[in-house]
Amino acid sequence: AQSVAQPEDQVNVAEGNPLTVKCTYSVSGNPYLFWYVQYPNRGLQFLLKYITGDNLVKGSYGFEAEFNKSQTSFHLKKPSALVSDSALYFCAVSGVNAGNNRKLIWGLGTSLAVNP
Amino acid sequence: DAGITQSPRHKVTETGTPVTLRCHQTENHRYMYWYRQDPGHGLRLIHYSYGVKDTDKGEVSDGYSVSRSKTEDFLLTLESATSSQTSVYFCAISTRQGGEYEQYFGPGTRLTVT
Repeated sequence: AQSVAQPEDQVNVAEGNPLTVKCTYSVSGNPYLFWYVQYPNRGLQFLLKYITGDNLVKGSYGFEAEFNKSQTSFHLKKPSALVSDSALYFCAVSGVNAGNNRKLIWGLGTSLAVNP
Repeated sequence: DAGITQSPRHKVTETGTPVTLRCHQTENHRYMYWYRQDPGHGLRLIHYSYGVKDTDKGEVSDGYSVSRSKTEDFLLTLESATSSQTSVYFCAISTRQGGEYEQYFGPGTRLTVT
């Protein structure tokens, strides 16, 4: 079965420290991988995606993510966390379904709290 | 918010009543989606549309119907609301078909069924 796992419900970091939000996936075929962020009472905002090419992808607000095919992971990272980064983060993968159609498969989200 | 609005933003309704949520976009995108977001379940696709009058079911379509009579509007209808449909509903668009294209989300509608 195709799936996405975000193994940590919550991540706490101190402001200025590096942060990592983890994501692993299981899909058939080549994956297309996405990170989204959701601030309180807002819709999801696209952060970055991996389609092909360089395994390190840079996105909005200083975030980046590293695609690791052997570990089937796509962890979100930022070198120096800000209090304003506190939000809910979702990983998603575009998996191949019947008829060769692709649908997004979503992780359950990780709540990031950055402490001043 | 990629020119996407949702109405109403909040609604409280009683079990058994019909409810229609509206998603409106201003940028003429072909692909539109309805999701629900619930704690412990993340986002789940209800229905999606790939053009005017072209719609298909997602993973949790039971109890929901959709209509798209013009490009800019995608309506989600709960024919007879149940308490299990209490949720936050998000509309999304994508600029192209294909798994490599990201989706852009509206602000959401919080629906409570009492």
